Amino acid sequence: GAGVSQSPSNKVTEKGKDVELRCDPISGHTALYWYRQSLGQGLEFLIYFQGNSAPDKSGLPSDRFSAERTGGSVSTLTIQRTQQEDSAVYLCASSLEVLAGSYEQYFGPGTRLTVT
Amino acid sequence: QKEVEQNSGPLSVPEGAIASLNCTYSDRVSQSFFWYRQYSGKSPELIMSIYSNGDKEDGRFTAQLNKASQYVSLLIRDSQPSDSATYLCAARSGTYKYIFGTGTRLKVLA
Repeated sequence: GAGVSQSPSNKVTEKGKDVELRCDPISGHTALYWYRQSLGQGLEFLIYFQGNSAPDKSGLPSDRFSAERTGGSVSTLTIQRTQQEDSAVYLCASSLEVLAGSYEQYFGPGTRLTVT
Repeated sequence: QKEVEQNSGPLSVPEGAIASLNCTYSDRVSQSFFWYRQYSGKSPELIMSIYSNGDKEDGRFTAQLNKASQYVSLLIRDSQPSDSATYLCAARSGTYKYIFGTGTRLKVLA
């Protein structure tokens, strides 16, 4: 079946502009995660959704970052007033119902964001 | 101590050999562990999960979990050049959070 999809695959933006990154999880997966991976670094947790709600937003680096999920499916990560330090690969992952015990996450191909 | 720690490598093994990748973890993570493979410029790909003490085998891969010593390993038998990648160890922390190690770079020499 179809895996996690993300768009765009690459985004180059000027400092100060807003960007929107999209994630379409595997069908039926209720848990959705956003991560950030900077060059040569590990994965940094940003936010987790269970259905449409985000019980943990603690990983968002600043109030310029926000995310939403509608219809229990597609999620959008928005970065306002982008800064050069926001340049990274943004990864989305999904899994079946986490609270019911299915723990395996599957990642999308990522969006490479470059802020110039 | 970091919650999940890996040696960054590179770990170099000859083709056909067994590659052994290790990961240690702290008390702050749960007993659910995952190994991902990440090729350069690509996203992580799930290889295996392991939840119980002992070994779990899947093809050329074997995951080993030792709760007493707080480490989890991934063995790759008959290593191939196509196995050259960065291997990420991940652990559950709490109800839903996953903590990833920084990865071990594996090089399989033809």
